Amino acid sequence: GENVEQHPSTLSVQEGDSAVIKCTYSDSASNYFPWYKQELGKRPQLIIDIRSNVGEKKDQRIAVTLNKTAKHFSLHITETQPEDSAVYFCAASITGGATNKLIFGTGTLLAVQP
Amino acid sequence: DAGVTQSPTHLIKTRGQQVTLRCSPISGHKSVSWYQQVLGQGPQFIFQYYEKEERGRGNFPDRFSARQFPNYSSELNVNALLLGDSALYLCATAGFVNTEAFFGQGTRLTVV
Repeated sequence: GENVEQHPSTLSVQEGDSAVIKCTYSDSASNYFPWYKQELGKRPQLIIDIRSNVGEKKDQRIAVTLNKTAKHFSLHITETQPEDSAVYFCAASITGGATNKLIFGTGTLLAVQP
Repeated sequence: DAGVTQSPTHLIKTRGQQVTLRCSPISGHKSVSWYQQVLGQGPQFIFQYYEKEERGRGNFPDRFSARQFPNYSSELNVNALLLGDSALYLCATAGFVNTEAFFGQGTRLTVV
């Protein structure tokens, strides 16, 4: 069935370092890949997304890359700051059809040490 | 502009009881999806409604049901509550059935 694997489950970095989170999806029909940041007790917030017709997308310190052949996509955060500390979820979806059901990964707890 | 609003924010129920959770979408959004997020896990898709019709259903038992009203708000109902139903229930709305979804703050349900 549909599945998204996410690694690592926890990630600790020093302030200013880079952080990379990787996801693999199973359904080759997936064409939309959002990333969400969820702070403790709060809602998931979309931070960046990428569609299957694009290989890379960047927004300030955040970038996402997509390898459709390998069914991998990754989140890159540069110059990390303590406020980047949160749980990050990747997700995969098939848009253009009857539903925009999101299949989420299991999450990565990112801790940025000052 | 108001975001997605959910009510109540917290709820405690006893095993066997029934619960109704509510979601009001962003103005103009016609698609409402429901997700269950158990502590320490990613959200799991329960239902999607678009234009008052069910467009998708996740792998949840028949105890879970939902509906969408003419004003596009939605309710999620769970019958015969089990301890394992304790979770954060998230509503996500979108302008159309296949566009970016925005999440509400969730309803924290605790079953005792």
